[in-house]
Amino acid sequence: EAGVTQFPSHSVIEKGQTVTLRCDPISGHDNLYWYRRVMGKEIKFLLHFVKESKQDESGMPNNRFLAERTGGTYSTLKVQPAELEDSGVYFCASSQVAVRYYGYTFGSGTRLTVV
Amino acid sequence: GQQVMQIPQYQHVQEGEDFTTYCNSSTTLSNIQWYKQRPGGHPVFLIQLVKSGEVKKQKRLTFQFGEAKKNSSLHITATQTTDVGTYFCAALSGGSNYKLTFGKGTLLTVNP
Repeated sequence: EAGVTQFPSHSVIEKGQTVTLRCDPISGHDNLYWYRRVMGKEIKFLLHFVKESKQDESGMPNNRFLAERTGGTYSTLKVQPAELEDSGVYFCASSQVAVRYYGYTFGSGTRLTVV
Repeated sequence: GQQVMQIPQYQHVQEGEDFTTYCNSSTTLSNIQWYKQRPGGHPVFLIQLVKSGEVKKQKRLTFQFGEAKKNSSLHITATQTTDVGTYFCAALSGGSNYKLTFGKGTLLTVNP
């Protein structure tokens, strides 16, 4: 079974540019999550999809962040325009059941550096 | 919002020494999960604790959930260089069945 796939693995962009991150969840996992870890800090929730619907986007920092999951398969997270404080590692995770019953499977993450 | 406090932030040990990281919450937790992130890697789910006072073991790792379900610990006996990484605790957030609040993690380094 393929795991959660994220790309790119690294991205370096200038402030003001746009970046799109992609996540392919484990096949059959309706739940898809985005988390972010800024250096030295905790891993923070961004949002949760159930199939193509946004179930909870309470962690999205501001309207420069747009997440989509068309067709309920892969998801994209677009940052436009990027700011310095957006630097960090963006993790995607998926699950078949609620995390109340079992842990997430995380992807390898995208390390975003905004310069 | 809910916070999960984790200490210490860093721990350096000699190989063979024991290691413990602690998580605390001001509110009662429905469960607690532990993840390990190797340097340059991604968090990997280790275990979930649900019951008050629960103790689970995985080889040299012992996980405990407090009687009041407000604290948890991960203890590693006789550390090895393969134990290097950041250990995170995480708990369900705000009554959600899907969202986790993570502690800041404990970075463990092991001197061979």
